[in-house]
Amino acid sequence: DTGVSQNPRHKITKRGQNVTFRCDPISEHNRLYWYRQTLGQGPEFLTYFQNEAQLEKSRLLSDRFSAERPKGSFSTLEIQRTEQGDSAMYLCASSLPGRVGEAFFGQGTRLTVV
Amino acid sequence: AQKVTQAQTEISVVEKEDVTLDCVYETRDTTYYLFWYKQPPSGELVFLIRRNSFDEQNEISGRYSWNFQKSTSSFNFTITASQVVDSAVYFCALSEAGRNFNKFYFGSGTKLNVKP
Repeated sequence: DTGVSQNPRHKITKRGQNVTFRCDPISEHNRLYWYRQTLGQGPEFLTYFQNEAQLEKSRLLSDRFSAERPKGSFSTLEIQRTEQGDSAMYLCASSLPGRVGEAFFGQGTRLTVV
Repeated sequence: AQKVTQAQTEISVVEKEDVTLDCVYETRDTTYYLFWYKQPPSGELVFLIRRNSFDEQNEISGRYSWNFQKSTSSFNFTITASQVVDSAVYFCALSEAGRNFNKFYFGSGTKLNVKP
């Protein structure tokens, strides 16, 4: 499978626990994006990387959220001390440099905080 | 600030009917891009069409067509002869140009139900 891969697909966690999601972009895609989608809403931008550099973070990304892309390949999104409001689908997308609109999305990680 | 509004929450049609999905956007940028994405139940967003702000020419691609009108800030999307497989949530999105391309601002989506 050469698409964007996200793991796990589903995660149920207790409030206050830490969780980490992983995104493997399409090979050679140097841009990687994270979005969050709550039920009945469109995805909201969280952050993006060009290679290993994190170029922009949304104000939605509170101090409890951290994203990394250490070697410019896969990325991780960690949420510390989860809250019920963090329950959402977390989507990852990747694209080649300069290719506007040609962003390929993964199937997402659905987080449920109980 | 960028904003995309999809006023239609849900639409139901019978197979073979044409259906138009509405999208209105707000931006102060002079250069931007507009998109339609489809999200089937599997959750993966699928790219459908893209338009840049300098090209208001409306086109048809297979059963898809779009109507981009800068004067009314609208970017409507039409599916001709709808099929059951078209059932999904459709999102209109706006992207900045320049460095932040593919940083999308999505609308809230329109759920399309196509009944046999």
